[in-house]
Amino acid sequence: QVQLQESGPGLVKPSGTLSLTCAVSGGSISSSNWWSWVRQPPGKGLEWIGEIYHSGTTNYNPSLKSRVTISVDKSKNHFSLKLSSVTAADTAVYYCAREGPDAEFHYWGQGTLVTVSS
Amino acid sequence: QSALTQPPSASGSPGQSVTISCTGTSSDVGNYNYVSWYQQHPGKAPKLMIYEVSKRPSGVPDRFSGSKSGNTASLTVSGLQAEDEADYYCSSYAGSYYVFGTGTKVTVL
Repeated sequence: QVQLQESGPGLVKPSGTLSLTCAVSGGSISSSNWWSWVRQPPGKGLEWIGEIYHSGTTNYNPSLKSRVTISVDKSKNHFSLKLSSVTAADTAVYYCAREGPDAEFHYWGQGTLVTVSS
Repeated sequence: QSALTQPPSASGSPGQSVTISCTGTSSDVGNYNYVSWYQQHPGKAPKLMIYEVSKRPSGVPDRFSGSKSGNTASLTVSGLQAEDEADYYCSSYAGSYYVFGTGTKVTVL
């Protein structure tokens, strides 16, 4: 059973860079799956941020593309998210997820709350 | 890349059925059969309930079913149970990116 665990600072200053890592266990990040980041502002809906394949190929939400970088570290079996120039609007629970072959988000991490505040 | 449109709320008594709509465009829901549905209880991560419009993952009760017509997908929960009370989100592939629905809170009366 694949398990995902997000980690990173829970507080980021405005204009700074949010950095999170998703550790994958119970499976290889080099499997034939895409790996995604999804966020959810408090009390609001889900927003897809972007995805990465183990080859390093990425796709991003057009509305966030200029600020997002997703990378993969196969040696550590994890992938990471960087979101630059953050504002209070980026305060959210950030989830990592593994996609299935039919464009579904089958496995999710528990989520981690990141607050943007000075 | 606007969010897919869902009704904010839906409700039903135990044993009844409730149907949630998810309206997109010809660029997402209408163009791909990659529509999925997620159940989210408060403070928990979303859980996959339906994928590829109408398929159920192992372990999801057959009370949950999905369909699609044109630019609108639907999730039906039959035989409502107390544990079905949650937020539900649809998602659609849109060609190199994904879009989620606005979310529907289902209340079991």
